[in-house]
Amino acid sequence: DGGITQSPKYLFRKEGQNVTLSCEQNLNHDAMYWYRQDPGQGLRLIYYSQIVNDFQKGDIAEGYSVSREKKESFPLTVTSAQKNPTAFYLCASSKQGFNTEAFFGQGTRLTVV
Amino acid sequence: GESVGLHLPTLSVQEGDNSIINCAYSNSASDYFIWYKQESGKGPQFIIDIRSNMDKRQGQRVTVLLNKTVKHLSLQIAATQPGDSAVYFCAENPPSPSTGNQFYFGTGTSLTVIP
Repeated sequence: DGGITQSPKYLFRKEGQNVTLSCEQNLNHDAMYWYRQDPGQGLRLIYYSQIVNDFQKGDIAEGYSVSREKKESFPLTVTSAQKNPTAFYLCASSKQGFNTEAFFGQGTRLTVV
Repeated sequence: GESVGLHLPTLSVQEGDNSIINCAYSNSASDYFIWYKQESGKGPQFIIDIRSNMDKRQGQRVTVLLNKTVKHLSLQIAATQPGDSAVYFCAENPPSPSTGNQFYFGTGTSLTVIP
């Protein structure tokens, strides 16, 4: 089955630690995205990548980093510089070009303890 | 309906009734729009899309209406069922050659179906 897999589903982090969230897709999509979702709010774009070895900051990139070494993988690192990292993180992918929908993974819920 | 802000609009309907969820989008250049459904603790799922050269599109039990004059979208769900209870988001997709395929999401509307 084609889709997007995020892991882990739940993640706990101590303050001051970096953590990496995994996102893998087998849809052969060029574009991949990371969004953050807080309770009662919409999705805010953290980073996106239109092609391998290239990525751009979204609206709330501070305290996060990404890499895109392979087409199917787009890991997100939440660094200790992110002041309020507790949130639901969603990864998505889409075909290259315009007017194509984004497909989402099932999310990772990160909690700082 | 949806709007940018901290409060999640809510809608409660009786099972079997029709639901209408509204969304105001911001970019008059947006030419593609998507409705997503998100169940608690899960990722958003695609429901239906519409391009700006259309003003109506129908799917199975769902219809999306687009009014470009007032930058408004609506999602109509016919014969609403308990399984339709979720948060519904609209997303706009403005063309931007410099930034590529980007999506901008509304706050979402929480739909509760009363059995």
